[in-house]
Amino acid sequence: LAKTTQPISMDSYEGQEVNITCSHNNIATNDYITWYQQFPSQGPRFIIQGYKTKVTNEVASLFIPADRKSSTLSLPRVSLSDTAVYYCLVGDQTGGSYIPTFGRGTSLIVHP
Amino acid sequence: GAVVSQHPSWVICKSGTSVKIECRSLDFQATTMFWYRQFPKQSLMLMATSNEGSKATYEQGVEKDKFLINHASLTLSTLTVTSAHPEDSSFYICSARDWGVGVNTEAFFGQGTRLTVV
Repeated sequence: LAKTTQPISMDSYEGQEVNITCSHNNIATNDYITWYQQFPSQGPRFIIQGYKTKVTNEVASLFIPADRKSSTLSLPRVSLSDTAVYYCLVGDQTGGSYIPTFGRGTSLIVHP
Repeated sequence: GAVVSQHPSWVICKSGTSVKIECRSLDFQATTMFWYRQFPKQSLMLMATSNEGSKATYEQGVEKDKFLINHASLTLSTLTVTSAHPEDSSFYICSARDWGVGVNTEAFFGQGTRLTVV
């Protein structure tokens, strides 16, 4: 199982773009990269998922370099409500044995 | 996206009693569900993998006789904390994947259950 490493915490201000990088040096060929957001006393919420290059949806972008050993979650123009913990998960979701495994996550605090 | 619902959202129980937490996949069938425990300011820790129609697979260090898991149908898994003690107080979260959507579909999580043992 690929281990992930993220910064423990980050600070930003409203309106800024926030980039959170996750390192996963031993990512396997079939592994996908998935990011979740968690607010206090709530379950994690899916943000975005990708395999390579760039993926964009209505809330975020995910950049994955060619070697796939890292990935960057980009949140455009954050607001106070984006204050949360962000988790990067890596795993082979094509197989029946996939188990979502969480690392320490990044606590993002958005200031006014 | 797929919806996973947990019940109750919070529960307070007396030490020594048992508490059951339900996890339902509302609009899809889940042959596999996962149960996590999360302590304050810590990450989610996998407790067990729940398989429909068979015994759950517990992670090392999780007492299977204390945390009973039943996955009797494709849409419902239950976690029963038996003889609860204050140290069992935690946030319990379940998760499931909708295998019918596609091979790389993400996992969806319930809203969590806050258990307080007094």
